[in-house]
Amino acid sequence: GDKVKQSPSALSLQEGTNSALRCNFSIAATTVQWFLQNPRGSLINLFYLVPGTKENGRLKSAFDSKESYSTLHIRDAQLEDSGTYFCAAEARDYKYVFGAGTRLKVIA
Amino acid sequence: NAGVIQTPRHKVTGKGQEATLWCEPISGHSAVFWYRQTIVQGLEFLTYFRNQAPIDDSGMPKERFSAQMPNQSHSTLKIQSTQPQDSAVYLCASSLDVRGGQNTLYFGAGTRLSVL
Repeated sequence: GDKVKQSPSALSLQEGTNSALRCNFSIAATTVQWFLQNPRGSLINLFYLVPGTKENGRLKSAFDSKESYSTLHIRDAQLEDSGTYFCAAEARDYKYVFGAGTRLKVIA
Repeated sequence: NAGVIQTPRHKVTGKGQEATLWCEPISGHSAVFWYRQTIVQGLEFLTYFRNQAPIDDSGMPKERFSAQMPNQSHSTLKIQSTQPQDSAVYLCASSLDVRGGQNTLYFGAGTRLSVL
């Protein structure tokens, strides 16, 4: 089964609204990373997380290792936030397992 | 800092030919990872190096895929006798180190391999 399960798989947001993406892990993740893959295909690192929370501008992310999940909150969505968001969980031996992604479209 | 550089950006090969993909990690980064991305399988781990030494190649198809890191400034992924199912975007990433909370991954733009 999926070791890293992301939800929702796709999302459409009105510009200026808020949303939350989620990852559930069936592996014992020690750290989590979130990425945005833009329409050109580049994977941009958004957050590197140990258990806890981090905030960067309109983005906020949390990782709960005991409950095995992570969330990414987007506040005041903008058109440039569109793309596919991936979470990745650090498994054994420092390699990361990726989720299938959440495709986000922000509409004006 | 130019980031992780991958060449070529696109490669088209005929079935049975060899393909070599190149990756130049960020200067000073000790860890280099290779991933493969397809629509069906998503992002799959292939292999990684630390301080040029191969650490984990558990994701590599055993028979036709090989990876090397001859020096700290580049790594190569070689696919022999390419097959249509090898068509994918091959992504290279580097990090400062895998330990000590320094494993933030920085990805290159990828090489899109098309096997006809």
